[in-house]
Formats: sequence, C-alpha cells, structure tokens
Amino acid sequence: QKEVEQDPGPLSVPEGAIVSLNCTYSNSAFQYFMWYRQYSRKGPDLLMYTYSSGNKEDGRFTAQVDKSSKYISLFIRDSQPSDSATYLCAMGPTGNQFYFGTGTSLTVIP
Amino acid sequence: KAGVTQTPRYLIKTRGQQVTLSCSPISGHRSVSWYQQTPGQGLQFLFEYFSETQRNKGNFPGRFSGRQFSNSRSEMNVSTLELGDSALYLCASSINQETQYFGPGTRLLVL
Repeated sequence: QKEVEQDPGPLSVPEGAIVSLNCTYSNSAFQYFMWYRQYSRKGPDLLMYTYSSGNKEDGRFTAQVDKSSKYISLFIRDSQPSDSATYLCAMGPTGNQFYFGTGTSLTVIP
Repeated sequence: KAGVTQTPRYLIKTRGQQVTLSCSPISGHRSVSWYQQTPGQGLQFLFEYFSETQRNKGNFPGRFSGRQFSNSRSEMNVSTLELGDSALYLCASSINQETQYFGPGTRLLVL
C-alpha cells in the first residue's frame, strides 16, 4: 500500500467553479500536510501547509485535514484559468522524509 | 529571501556518462532533500542531508549519490547514466521538519 494516494485526474472545470482535490494516507504519524502547485516543466510551489487536523484558509484556497479519516482536501473557490496546473499533496515527516501524492492535473476552462 | 536554486537547469548526456547536479538551499535551511520526478512515477525520494550527514535514503541504486557541504549546499551525482535516468531532478530545502521548499529543478535527458 502506498503511503499517500491521490486521484491523478485529469480534472476539467469551467472558470468560477469550486474545485475539490483530495488525498488519503496510511501513516497516522504524519503531522504536517502540504499542498503544492506545479506548472508544466517547473518545480512545485508550496501553496499551503497545516499542522495536525483542522482547516486553513488563504484567499481562494482552503486546506482541510481530517486525521481521524486520514484524509486531506484542498478547495479552490472561484477557479481561474491560471489555476490550471498539477496539484501535489505531501505529508510527513517520518524518518526525515516527506511523502507525496502522484498529483492531480487540473484544467480550468475560460 | 532568495529561494532554492539549482544548476544547471538543463542537461543532455549520453548513456554511460556521469552527471553532477547542484543545489543551494534557502539561507538558514540546513536540510536538503533530493527527488526524481517522472511522468509515470511521480516524485521519488532520493536522499536527505542535514549538516553534511545523509539521514535518509530512498530505494535507488548506488549509482545515485550525494553530499552536502558545510554551507548547506548540496550536490548529487549519477554515474553510468541509463536512459531511464531521464527525469526532472528536484531539490527541496527545509529549516525544520514542518515543510519543504522546492527549487526549479534540473531537467536531465539521457540519450
């Protein structure tokens, strides 16, 4: 079983839609949960990170962590064409290592 | 504050050659991790260094090696390159165990 599971998509939504991206994980020792956005042929950019369970909001982005269900989500409100990218979830650390999902490809259609 | 920098940005090598990639972490960050990213496998962990010591290593053959210098800059080396080593190699730095910040990556093409 993989440490982190993420639906690869692709996900295609119209501009202005609410987008929900999700990951599940197996290791209950994970304490930090991150979301990265990666544009084609670029390195991942950190969008948000949270500690333990709960919600965190930053502009149009909301990250949720449910440790009891081992489930994390990223919501994007009022999605824009510039949000079109691959979104990676990540979590950890254990053994000085972070674990990443395979990424969800998102396209926002104008 | 400057971000993570990686050099070179692009490399083309032939099978059997070796390559060295460099990473300069964010100032003050002492932990550096390396990843290989390919379309089929996603991000695969190579190794992590802290204060010049390798603390963790992923499941890669011994052809992949790395080191970290006293100024926290890190290098990774791949010897006897194979076609399957073509990938985006990413370096990430961390000041603590809360999160990581990535560089732009080095795109390696092995012919």
